Amino acid sequence: EPEVTQTPSHQVTQMGQEVILRCVPISNHLYFYWYRQILGQKVEFLVSFYNNEISEKSEIFDDQFSVERPDGSNFTLKIRSTKLEDSAMYFCASSEQGGGGETQYFGPGTRLLVL
Amino acid sequence: QKEVEQNSGPLSVPEGAIASLNCTYSDRGSQSFFWYRQYSGKSPELIMFIYSNGDKEDGRFTAQLNKASQYVSLLIRDSQPSDSATYLCAAEMNRDDKIIFGKGTRLHILP
Repeated sequence: EPEVTQTPSHQVTQMGQEVILRCVPISNHLYFYWYRQILGQKVEFLVSFYNNEISEKSEIFDDQFSVERPDGSNFTLKIRSTKLEDSAMYFCASSEQGGGGETQYFGPGTRLLVL
Repeated sequence: QKEVEQNSGPLSVPEGAIASLNCTYSDRGSQSFFWYRQYSGKSPELIMFIYSNGDKEDGRFTAQLNKASQYVSLLIRDSQPSDSATYLCAAEMNRDDKIIFGKGTRLHILP
């Protein structure tokens, strides 16, 4: 069964450093998402991406964050200058279509720890 | 502010019994509702989705939606120890791309 994959599974970085989290969505899916989950808290939406542009973003997704689809398979989340509070599990998800009512399938996540 | 509320639990249910998980949502514009299961340290895994008022059954799972009361529930019949996990209720507005998650209910099935 096709699945969303993410790399790395764990990332430790120093505050102020840039990190890039990578995702390979399910191959026939057109909509891509990033969510994060701080330990013990709810899963929070960061951004959705379709047709090579951001379709929606939350207030969490500030200028320190960016997303890119550098090629036909990868979808990346970049945090330019990490802060301690960026420590969280980051989930990539994808869906066949968007606009509501579409099931989003989640990858296994990248656990980011900012020291 | 769109919110999805769940009782955090833990909810303890004997093996073989029915587990009942509940969720309310604040935004009447929400159209699609999802139940995800999340094991500790793992990603959310879709269990069921429901769009229409009433019940939807899939194996041991039944999702129930009442849009007038803004209430969603998940019933798990014949509960198994492997059902022990956190269950996340989520809502999505029509023409919207993001899913709003609740904090989840921890379910513990007692062997």
